[in-house]
Amino acid sequence: QLQLQESGPGLVKPSETLSLTCTVSGGSITSSSYYWGWIRQPPGKALEWIGSIHFLGNTYYNPSLNSRVTISVDMSKNHFSLRLTSVTAADTAVYFCAKHPGLHGHGNFDSWGLGTLVTVSS
Amino acid sequence: DIQMTQSPSTLSASVGDSVTITCRASQDISTSLAWYQQKPGKAPKLLIYKVFSLESGVPSRFSGSGSGTEFTLTISSLQPDDFATYYCQQYNSDVFTFGPGTKVDIK
Repeated sequence: QLQLQESGPGLVKPSETLSLTCTVSGGSITSSSYYWGWIRQPPGKALEWIGSIHFLGNTYYNPSLNSRVTISVDMSKNHFSLRLTSVTAADTAVYFCAKHPGLHGHGNFDSWGLGTLVTVSS
Repeated sequence: DIQMTQSPSTLSASVGDSVTITCRASQDISTSLAWYQQKPGKAPKLLIYKVFSLESGVPSRFSGSGSGTEFTLTISSLQPDDFATYYCQQYNSDVFTFGPGTKVDIK
């Protein structure tokens, strides 16, 4: 069974870069047409899609974060990563990684990691 | 971007009740609509995709309907495990958006 696990620092200073990794186990990140995405949830608030990537490198980002976000894939390590630059307190959230079957009508997230809390504070 | 709204924001119900949550999109999203259940401290769980397709393992008391811009999630005969927050999500465009959530709590 496919499992996803987020990892990375739980505390990031304002103006610095948030970096997280999602390790995929029980399956290959190069499987078929799957896309791999990041979603975040500020404390007590709703879910926000950050962006998604296909193992061939196609990426799609939320326009509200586009200028600060980079998602990449490392096939050799079977993981994908998130970088969010110039963070502020508004970026404090639980960050989830998840999988969806594709684009264009296939963006339902059917497997999720447990989530990791990232706090932006000096 | 496509905006999603949900109503009500909170719903109080009893075990055995039938409840319905409404989700509206700011523009036509065809059938690209999913529903998730989230419990405190946990990741969301996919319940329904493509408006009415039940994810494997999800009880049949959950059902979805709608098209275009208005959609509903119905839970027939609410069970103790169903008290949670429910989110809709559109994926018709290449920018995915979630609704603000509906919390179902115990009356």
